[in-house]
Amino acid sequence: GNSVTQMEGPVTLSEEAFLTINCTYTATGYPSLFWYVQYPGEGLQLLLKATKADDKGSNKGFEATYRKETTSFHLEKGSVQVSDSAVYFCALISGAGSYQLTFGKGTKLSVIP
Amino acid sequence: NAGVMQNPRHLVRRRGQEARLRCSPMKGHSHVYWYRQLPEEGLKFMVYLQKENIIDESGMPKERFSAEFPKEGPSILRIQQVVRGDSAAYFCASSPEGQGTDTQYFGPGTRLTVL
Repeated sequence: GNSVTQMEGPVTLSEEAFLTINCTYTATGYPSLFWYVQYPGEGLQLLLKATKADDKGSNKGFEATYRKETTSFHLEKGSVQVSDSAVYFCALISGAGSYQLTFGKGTKLSVIP
Repeated sequence: NAGVMQNPRHLVRRRGQEARLRCSPMKGHSHVYWYRQLPEEGLKFMVYLQKENIIDESGMPKERFSAEFPKEGPSILRIQQVVRGDSAAYFCASSPEGQGTDTQYFGPGTRLTVL
């Protein structure tokens, strides 16, 4: 079956620090990969996605590259801000026409001034 | 364009009561998905509905849980005779017709607490 493993939090960083949140996956076929972000009190928002190997998704300064050889989709940002404090979820959908998102457990990020 | 709406945001029930969770998809979206997030866990798929049809309920517990998406009105997730283990955050997502079901827009969730 499909599964997503992401680094456990919480992660606490100072403003302007470099961020990496690791995500690896197991899936049948060729999944599409996603990062969702959940700000306090809000629903999940799609942050970025990649649909095939070597694709790079990017948004709001965040990036993640679909690495088929290492089955990974690590999230990175060069300089975090306090406003990036949130819970980040890695997820996948596997197979054409699929709709069941499989999520990791989430990583809580706190950025301090 | 308003996002996915869920209500109530917080719901407290005693064991044995019924819980009704509502989800209004984004305007123009005809696909609705429900996910459950247990404490310290990721979201888990429960059910996928289109208007008046249940497409896939493979993630839904066989007993006490039901879902509908009527022709008019919001989608409803109904939990009968709630137990403490039902305490969780329930998220609804929607996607538009014809644009692929892999891009889902999520609501803020309903946090159910069973006393």
